[in-house]
Amino acid sequence: AQTVTQSQPEMSVQEAETVTLSCTYDTSESNYYLFWYKQPPSRQMILVIRQEAYKQQNATENRFSVNFQKAAKSFSLKISDSQLGDTAMYFCAFRAPGANSKLTFGKGITLSVRP
Amino acid sequence: NAGVTQTPKFRILKIGQSMTLQCAQDMNHNYMYWYRQDPGMGLKLIYYSVGAGITDKGEVPNGYNVSRSTTEDFPLRLELAAPSQTSVYFCASRATVGAGELFFGEGSRLTVL
Repeated sequence: AQTVTQSQPEMSVQEAETVTLSCTYDTSESNYYLFWYKQPPSRQMILVIRQEAYKQQNATENRFSVNFQKAAKSFSLKISDSQLGDTAMYFCAFRAPGANSKLTFGKGITLSVRP
Repeated sequence: NAGVTQTPKFRILKIGQSMTLQCAQDMNHNYMYWYRQDPGMGLKLIYYSVGAGITDKGEVPNGYNVSRSTTEDFPLRLELAAPSQTSVYFCASRATVGAGELFFGEGSRLTVL
């Protein structure tokens, strides 16, 4: 079974600075999908970024980028120029290949952006 | 662009009461899921469905039931509510093809007193 580990329960960053959120996973699959979700205080779950394991290039979405290290089974999220609206809980998730495979979520990390 | 719609958004139940959380999606997704999220915690899968007429248990199915009579709708039934079912419930769906990211509803906050 796959597992997703987010070892940092909380992080804090100053507005306009850069922060990196860590995520590791365990799988024996060679192809799979990885995701970061954001959950602001409104509690809505928002997809931030996705990465397909067969793609070597790290995914980027505006101020959000990932550092995908397949051999190390690491999938960290970098947030550049942090904004107050980035304050949220962030979940890392993994999905194995196969039509019926389900997402496995990490426990989440609470990020606070300080003004 | 409705996406995934959950109702109600808030509900207070008394111990022993029953209720149904409604979930509907308009994206023609075959896969649908119900999760619960306790305060400060991650998501736990309650039930899921891979298509109309097919449902299966997740990690924490006890005290819940589901049905999937149409592609669009996936209601979650709580029978004999207990305080341990106080939580925020999320419905989600995904497409069959592609990376398979989940599209979530806005959540339903349920309190059992």
